[in-house]
Amino acid sequence: AQSVTQLGSHVSVSEGALVLLRCNYSSSVPPYLFWYVQYPNQGLQLLLKYTSAATLVKGINGFEAEFKKSETSFHLTKPSAHMSDAAEYFCAVSGAQKLVFGQGTRLTINP
Amino acid sequence: GAGVSQSPRYKVAKRGQDVALRCDPISGHVSLFWYQQALGQGPEFLTYFQNEAQLDKSGLPSDRFFAERPEGSVSTLKIQRTQQEDSAVYLCASRTTRFSNTGELFFGEGSRLTVL
Repeated sequence: AQSVTQLGSHVSVSEGALVLLRCNYSSSVPPYLFWYVQYPNQGLQLLLKYTSAATLVKGINGFEAEFKKSETSFHLTKPSAHMSDAAEYFCAVSGAQKLVFGQGTRLTINP
Repeated sequence: GAGVSQSPRYKVAKRGQDVALRCDPISGHVSLFWYQQALGQGPEFLTYFQNEAQLDKSGLPSDRFFAERPEGSVSTLKIQRTQQEDSAVYLCASRTTRFSNTGELFFGEGSRLTVL
């Protein structure tokens, strides 16, 4: 069965600093991986996805993620944090037609 | 509408009451999913429909939970004899593709259920 683990339930960075949110996956088959963002009282919105093409995936709002098979990781990064990036971020792996989500990482941006 | 619509947005129920949560997927989307999101947690899969067929209900926590999509469009998640542990946000998502592990899921804003 597929699963993901997000390291760190809370991450706090200063505005303009690098954002790094960690995700490790477990999968018995080549995985399809996703990052979603959730703003307060809203549904989830897709940031980016890896579907076995390029290992470096670019998404919306300046985010990108790199698939590293040797490390079973799919970490999310953004070079310069903006106040509007404050939200909950979820890593997910696709299996048997459904998405399996991690526990989430709450990103706080300090002015 | 252009997105996935869920109603009600907020529901307060007394323990033991039955509740029904509605989901209107994006028009033409074949696949529909229900997830349960407890406070501070990630979404947990409940059930999945392909048109009107419920193909996977492995995530339903008990036989008090029932979902249907009779005409392959609108779906209803019903919870009978609600318990406090049912308090959560129930998210509905739809996907345009049939059998695909790469297609994007489009989520509604959720229905927040509080059981007193």
